[in-house]
Amino acid sequence: NAGVTQTPKFHILKIGQSMTLQCTQDMNHNYMYWYRQDPGMGLKLIYYSVGAGITDKGEVPNGYNVSRSTTEDFPLRLELAAPSQTSVYFCATDPAGGTGELFFGEGSRLTVL
Amino acid sequence: GESVGLHLPTLSVQEGDNSIINCAYSNSASDYFIWYKQESGKGPQFIIDIRSNMDKRQGQRVTVLLNKTVKHLSLQIAATQPGDSAVYFCAENSNTDKLIFGTGTRLQVFP
Repeated sequence: NAGVTQTPKFHILKIGQSMTLQCTQDMNHNYMYWYRQDPGMGLKLIYYSVGAGITDKGEVPNGYNVSRSTTEDFPLRLELAAPSQTSVYFCATDPAGGTGELFFGEGSRLTVL
Repeated sequence: GESVGLHLPTLSVQEGDNSIINCAYSNSASDYFIWYKQESGKGPQFIIDIRSNMDKRQGQRVTVLLNKTVKHLSLQIAATQPGDSAVYFCAENSNTDKLIFGTGTRLQVFP
């Protein structure tokens, strides 16, 4: 099993550009999450999904969109990128939700210049 | 390299000593707490959890203590090893579908 796979690992965007961070899991977990981690900070929840077809906002959803058409995939879309979105983005899964034992991907480092 | 954690509080311990990492939480409704370890350039990994009906839970070389009166959580690592060097996060859940993470503490182990 690959677990949680995120792509790309690194990317540089220009201000105003858009892009999608991909997250794929092969563990058949229903719950998926997107977090961002800024330097010296903890993880902030952007969006999450409790199952295919269902998404919900987290703590810091502005400037992002998500979709969950399948159990496996949970892409994060950045529209009109801003320097404030420079961060490391982590996708995570949870088999049941609320268990606390999240399985994280390796992260995607995004720089907006 | 990974820049996360440059400004985090840092705990420096000598190899073989015990480490105690502390965490304060603010939501009195939180009933489930978890510790995560994040090594440089990697995603966080689950270490140990504790529910609010307990005040202590032990794992392999790790112990979590919960003091609900003062909303404080601690992670104790026995006989700290170089491989324990990482950033440690506490996280809390108040019977919802999502975890809220703390800021983190960097643990440095020196020989």
